[in-house]
Amino acid sequence: GAVVSQHPSRVICKSGTSVKIECRSLDFQATTMFWYRQFPKQSLMLMATSNEGSKATYEQGVEKDKFLINHASLTLSTLTVTSAHPEDSSFYICSARGGQGGTEAFFGQGTRLTVV
Amino acid sequence: AQSVTQLGSHVSVSEGALVLLRCNYSSSVPPYLFWYVQYPNQGLQLLLKYTSAATLVKGINGFEAEFKKSETSFHLTKPSAHMSDAAEYFCAVTKNNNDMRFGAGTRLTVKP
Repeated sequence: GAVVSQHPSRVICKSGTSVKIECRSLDFQATTMFWYRQFPKQSLMLMATSNEGSKATYEQGVEKDKFLINHASLTLSTLTVTSAHPEDSSFYICSARGGQGGTEAFFGQGTRLTVV
Repeated sequence: AQSVTQLGSHVSVSEGALVLLRCNYSSSVPPYLFWYVQYPNQGLQLLLKYTSAATLVKGINGFEAEFKKSETSFHLTKPSAHMSDAAEYFCAVTKNNNDMRFGAGTRLTVKP
């Protein structure tokens, strides 16, 4: 299957700082990328959907100014958590889908964010 | 809108026993259905997917799932559990290439 690489796998940051998480499709062009958040022992909650070259579509309740998503190329999307707070600590996972009508989304390895 | 419900947040089986993880879907149009497995602190790995071809879908690691429209179900099974199967399992649904919606997950424990 296709490979999606997410970086970093773990990050610790101080309250008030910003953190950028990268999601790359290594061997296919990802026209659509999805960002999920997962709390301990819970399911994945969709945060936003981004299409290459256009603004991300955020789910209800997700602050777009806090979780900045950029999908500037067909192989890279970034999620920036701005002015991070301890409650933003979570596991963030991206997924990517190709443009040839594929139904399958390929997932990154996830990023464990801890805000101290 | 489409959604999935996973019955049972935790399933425990003995090694060698049958594994059955339940998933029911709700969708106004024929859905695409998936089962993913997640190991601690890792992303999701696709086990299998249903995309309106054969109703019995075989996946990796000996897992399979059967799409039953009359029951709106897509339960995951494996004839004989292995210790390495212990993980979190998620059922997911999507349609028309939109976003994927996940069930709450089922944690599978395998006892020696």
